[in-house]
Amino acid sequence: QVLTQPPSVSVAPGQTATISCEGNDIGSRSVHWYQQRPGQPPVLVVHDYSDRPSGIPERLSGSKSGHTATLIISRVEPGDEADYYCQVWDSRSDHLYVFGPGTKVTVL
Amino acid sequence: EVQLVESGGGLIQPGGSLRLSCAASGFSVTYDYVSWIRQAPGKGLEWAAVIYTDGSTYYAHSLRDRFVISRDNSKNAVFLQLNSLRVEDTAMYYCARMPAQTSRFHSWGQGTLVTVSS
Repeated sequence: QVLTQPPSVSVAPGQTATISCEGNDIGSRSVHWYQQRPGQPPVLVVHDYSDRPSGIPERLSGSKSGHTATLIISRVEPGDEADYYCQVWDSRSDHLYVFGPGTKVTVL
Repeated sequence: EVQLVESGGGLIQPGGSLRLSCAASGFSVTYDYVSWIRQAPGKGLEWAAVIYTDGSTYYAHSLRDRFVISRDNSKNAVFLQLNSLRVEDTAMYYCARMPAQTSRFHSWGQGTLVTVSS
């Protein structure tokens, strides 16, 4: 399973950022999303396409359509500037748990 | 509160070995899965190894001949033995809790840095 993400997304404060994650088997797998701020460990922000762990604001949401999963950040704030990674489980892959290459979100 | 604290990283020469530790609290390493994930400087995340509740272990194919994951139930800790280290193993190593029967990394530690250099 190879996951494809855009390298970067730029968004103005208050606007909406969308980050895509494409993969051949995305439609049949649970997709999870992580936020990693500079110098910090990753944080799970969305799991199983659209569920949020406790403490994650509703501004962050996930969806899926066909071969693409999407992380949506509404009403973007400066603190949302971070790298975002999608992740799936794939028993056929060299890595049992596969991460996308990451998307750098820049708040203008 | 779930906490994971990694230790054991440091500067090591190529060919050397290190044992990383992950001290867990707020959950049991026998009831949840624990993975190690690494991140080379300026790069993305790479899953390395997992230990499941039944004690079974799995590795990234490229690492399985050199890395060994284990746990000590009495200490509620998980370990990653790194052998025959290479320069390209230089990375921050994170341990992460995975609720059993799930594929997500729900909680992460702060990481421990391994630098392989002569």
